[in-house]
Amino acid sequence: NAGVTQTPKFRVLKTGQSMTLLCAQDMNHEYMYWYRQDPGMGLRLIHYSVGEGTTAKGEVPDGYNVSRLKKQNFLLGLESAAPSQTSVYFCASSPGTDATYEQYFGPGTRLTVT
Amino acid sequence: GDSVTQMEGPVTLSEEAFLTINCTYTATGYPSLFWYVQYPGEGLQLLLKATKADDKGSNKGFEATYRKETTSFHLEKGSVQVSDSAVYFCALSDYLTGNQFYFGTGTSLTVIP
Repeated sequence: NAGVTQTPKFRVLKTGQSMTLLCAQDMNHEYMYWYRQDPGMGLRLIHYSVGEGTTAKGEVPDGYNVSRLKKQNFLLGLESAAPSQTSVYFCASSPGTDATYEQYFGPGTRLTVT
Repeated sequence: GDSVTQMEGPVTLSEEAFLTINCTYTATGYPSLFWYVQYPGEGLQLLLKATKADDKGSNKGFEATYRKETTSFHLEKGSVQVSDSAVYFCALSDYLTGNQFYFGTGTSLTVIP
């Protein structure tokens, strides 16, 4: 099993450009998440999904959109990138509804917006 | 709301020293507690977890005990190695808040030979 994979690993954008980050998992997990990691702030939840075709907002959703058209994929979109969105983005997945389940993380995407 | 507070870093220790990283939490319900580790340039990996009061999670020589009376889940290791250098995150998951994870800000550990 590859686990959770993310594409791309690195990206540099100019202000106002758009891009999509792809997350894929091969563990048949129901729940998927997008986080951003910034120095001194830990991980903050952007959006999450509790199943195919569903999405919900997390702590810091502004400026991002997501889609979960297939159970194994969770896409994060930036429509008009801003320097404040420079960060490391992590995708995670979890089997489902039990609070004892851990989350499984991808390797991250380092995004720089100039 | 739910939250996790963990010890500020960075922490620098000599090899074979004793490690403690403090973590306290606030939760609405009965959370599960986790420690994750992040090595440079990588994603987070689960280190250990505990799902109810008085449980002890352990892995790779690390231990943490779920203390409901002090709302704490401190990470300990008796003898650290250079390979333990990483960032450590305490986290909780609470079914009353939809099983969302709440992470601490992370503690950077450097072990010197």
